[in-house]
Amino acid sequence: GQQLNQSPQSMFIQEGEDVSMNCTSSSIFNTWLWYKQDPGEGPVLLIALYKAGELTSNGRLTAQFGITRKDSFLNISASIPSDVGIYFCAGQLAGGGADGLTFGKGTHLIIQP
Amino acid sequence: ETGVTQTPRHLVMGMTNKKSLKCEQHLGHNAMYWYKQSAKKPLELMFVYNFKEQTENNSVPSRFSPECPNSSHLFLHLHTLQPEDSALYLCASSHTDSANYGYTFGSGTRLTVV
Repeated sequence: GQQLNQSPQSMFIQEGEDVSMNCTSSSIFNTWLWYKQDPGEGPVLLIALYKAGELTSNGRLTAQFGITRKDSFLNISASIPSDVGIYFCAGQLAGGGADGLTFGKGTHLIIQP
Repeated sequence: ETGVTQTPRHLVMGMTNKKSLKCEQHLGHNAMYWYKQSAKKPLELMFVYNFKEQTENNSVPSRFSPECPNSSHLFLHLHTLQPEDSALYLCASSHTDSANYGYTFGSGTRLTVV
C-alpha cells in the first residue's frame, strides 16, 4: 500500500517561531491534505491542495503541493500556543470516489511559552 | 460541533462484551468511513461506505462489523474484542462527487478493552 513519510515526528519550539513539516511518498498523489488534531478531538482540515506546484495559504499556515506530486510541506509562521496539536498530512490517489485517504504518522507540535 | 457526531465518547468493555459505536452526519455527504487511531501509528482506514454500499473492507477482523442503514448513519458493532483493539475510533464523511476531498471527522470514541 501507499506509504506517507511525515517528518519531523515531534517539534519543541518557542512561541513566535516558525514551523515547517513535510510529507513524502514513493507514490503519486492527486490530492494533498493537511489536518490538525487537538487532544480528545478528531482531525480538522486545514488546507487542501489539488494541483502540482500549488501554494495555498490559510492565515499563518502555508502549504505546497510538490512538483513531483510525491511530497508536500506545511509551514506555520509566528506560532502561538493554540497551534499545539498533532498535524497530519494525507493523500488521495483517486480522482474521485470514496477510496479513503492515506495518512502520515503525524507531527506533534509542542510550544514552550 | 463538527457536523459529524460520534457516541459514546468513551467506552470500556470486556473481551466478551458486545457493544456498538454510532456515527451520525447531517452534512449531506454520501460517503462515510471508519478509521482506527492507535498510539504511534498512522490513521488506519477500516471501512468505507459510498451511498450506503460498503466499497472497502481493509482486511479488518470479523470481530468488527459495520452497518450503514442510510447515508447519514454509520455503526460499528464490536464483539469479542482483544486488548490490542483499544484505540480511538474515528468516523468521517465526505462528498464523493465533489472536487473538495476534505473529510469531516467526528470527535471519536476512545475504546478501552479490558
